[in-house]
Amino acid sequence: SAVISQKPSRDICQRGTSLTIQCQVDSQVTMMFWYRQQPGQSLTLIATANQGSEATYESGFVIDKFPISRPNLTFSTLTVSNMSPEDSSIYLCSVEKYGTGEQFFGPGTRLTVL
Amino acid sequence: GENVEQHPSTLSVQEGDSAVIKCTYSDSASNYFPWYKQELGKGPQLIIDIRSNVGEKKDQRIAVTLNKTAKHFSLHITETQPEDSAVYFCAASTYNTDKLIFGTGTRLQVFP
Repeated sequence: SAVISQKPSRDICQRGTSLTIQCQVDSQVTMMFWYRQQPGQSLTLIATANQGSEATYESGFVIDKFPISRPNLTFSTLTVSNMSPEDSSIYLCSVEKYGTGEQFFGPGTRLTVL
Repeated sequence: GENVEQHPSTLSVQEGDSAVIKCTYSDSASNYFPWYKQELGKGPQLIIDIRSNVGEKKDQRIAVTLNKTAKHFSLHITETQPEDSAVYFCAASTYNTDKLIFGTGTRLQVFP
């Protein structure tokens, strides 16, 4: 499986500010995804990060709130914009092993918004 | 769209006993069913998966079964150990979407 790192691992932010989360994988992958996991809850897909084009967002998530970049096949960022306490969650990136459907997750970024 | 239900939400077992977690899915087109283990403060770890052309898969103490007709699949852990304590998530997807839809999770506690 791929080795996936995320930065920062955790942060405490003030409402109204923005935070950019980085996801780095140690090998080239075609599919990268961003998930949100609210406290004590399951994982919800935010968007698929497409290399060289705009991300594909799931229902309930919009680009203005969660802009995503994917400049190459090993790196992606997710920005949480204009944060409110309701954005306090774990944000996880995942990558898919090509052609298998198998997804591997990074360690997550634990965000607290005050 | 796909919906995945998972039961039970919590499960407590004595060390050495077996644990079973069950999931049902709604979309008959789903053909890939992974299970993840999430320990406190960590990301989910893929522990086993099964595809729709297989009815059962085993890897040491863990096994997964799939009933396509009934649209449910289960995780079986035998000879449980305290280090099996974690939250377990089932998920479902179809090859043409690559999107994983997750169940609600099961918190497993194994008491020594």
